[in-house]
Amino acid sequence: AQSVAQPEDQVNVAEGNPLTVKCTYSVSGNPYLFWYVQYPNRGLQFLLKYITGDNLVKGSYGFEAEFNKSQTSFHLKKPSALVSDSALYFCAVRANSGNTPLVFGKGTRLSVIA
Amino acid sequence: DTAVSQTPKYLVTQMGNDKSIKCEQNLGHDTMYWYKQDSKKFLKIMFSYNNKELIINETVPNRFSPKSPDKAHLNLHINSLELGDSAVYFCASRSGGATKNIQYFGAGTRLSVL
Repeated sequence: AQSVAQPEDQVNVAEGNPLTVKCTYSVSGNPYLFWYVQYPNRGLQFLLKYITGDNLVKGSYGFEAEFNKSQTSFHLKKPSALVSDSALYFCAVRANSGNTPLVFGKGTRLSVIA
Repeated sequence: DTAVSQTPKYLVTQMGNDKSIKCEQNLGHDTMYWYKQDSKKFLKIMFSYNNKELIINETVPNRFSPKSPDKAHLNLHINSLELGDSAVYFCASRSGGATKNIQYFGAGTRLSVL
C-alpha cells in the first residue's frame, strides 16, 4: 500500500528565510512523487514532480525538491520565502505501474511572516 | 479558459436530497478523477475514469455514482445525502501524453448538507 507522511501540520518562516516542508513516502517499487499547493478556496496546483533522473527537481515559483531514496523522502524547499508562498502544501505519491491512484499526505500549512 | 471546471462552486442542501456535481475538462485528457477533501483538509480519491471507463473505485458508499458521458466530462451524482457528505469535492484530469503524470484540478465544489 502507498502512503505519504507530512510530519508537520504547520510551518512558520520569516520572509526571506529558506523554507523546508517535509515529506516521506512508502510505496512498492519505484515512486512517482509530486508536490501540489492549495491556496484558500482554490483547487490544487501542480508545483513539481520526480519521475526519474536527477534527484533534485525544480518547479514553479522557485520551489525545488530532492528525492532521497535511502531516506524515502521528498522534501520541498525554497531558498528565500515570500509572503505569497503562504498556502497549504500537499505531497503525493503513486507507484510507477498501472493505474494506481495518487495518494496525498495530509498537507502542511506554510505561513510566511513579513 | 478554465482547464478543469466544476459546477456548482457551492452547494447547500438538506439531508436526504439527491444532488449532482458536474465536471468538464478542455485539455483533451483521457483520465478524470473525483476527490473528497474533508474538514481537516485530508484529500482522498473516490473514483477514476479512463476514456469513459471506471478504473478506480475506492471504498465509497453506493450513494455516490459517477457518470462519464464522454471523456471530457465526469459528473458525480449523490443520492440520499448525509451530514457526513459535507466536504469539498475536487475533479481532476490527467493526460496520457508527455505530461501524463500531472493531474490538473478544478476549483472544487463545497457541499454543505444541513
